[in-house]
Amino acid sequence: DTAVSQTPKYLVTQMGNDKSIKCEQNLGHDTMYWYKQDSKKFLKIMFSYNNKELIINETVPNRFSPKSPDKAHLNLHINSLELGDSAVYFCASSQGTGYNSPLHFGNGTRLTVT
Amino acid sequence: QKEVEQNSGPLSVPEGAIASLNCTYSDRGSQSFFWYRQYSGKSPELIMFIYSNGDKEDGRFTAQLNKASQYVSLLIRDSQPSDSATYLCAVNDYKLSFGAGTTVTVRA
Repeated sequence: DTAVSQTPKYLVTQMGNDKSIKCEQNLGHDTMYWYKQDSKKFLKIMFSYNNKELIINETVPNRFSPKSPDKAHLNLHINSLELGDSAVYFCASSQGTGYNSPLHFGNGTRLTVT
Repeated sequence: QKEVEQNSGPLSVPEGAIASLNCTYSDRGSQSFFWYRQYSGKSPELIMFIYSNGDKEDGRFTAQLNKASQYVSLLIRDSQPSDSATYLCAVNDYKLSFGAGTTVTVRA
């Protein structure tokens, strides 16, 4: 009974391709996130959705487009992939957006662009 | 200036010793503070959170917060080899911002 699940776990693709990562949570949380962790292990927020509404959109190229069909799902579509997009992408969820809401992370998707 | 800064490490401690991890943050209005542990190739997992000034203890872990100094720390007592991991400090203002992490190695 995985709480936050992402697919695929690994994604290897060539520059210029378009790919999607899917995320689902069964915790009943209202808020979901995408984080990117680069090779230096720095975790940086990309997007956040609360009840299907976009609430955080950091400085991310518009090749990245999140979609939340319902509050349990948050997908990430990436167009025209570049070498610099290689990273581990983590989906996370939290109960609400309040200051006291810790994140629960999925297992990550390791994206390699060649 | 980075929003959240941690001592870069790596930090190597002998088994049974105390590991001390430090974190400073730039936004004086931040209200909640979290420590996550991340094993190599795994996702971050929450160890502790702290909201009020002072100390908070949970088993072998103690978080310390000083809002005036914009400083939060994590102490790991009686360090075990299983504590070897990267520890991420996270600070919540309108979003959860992470530090770059400190890698801890506990020598048996």
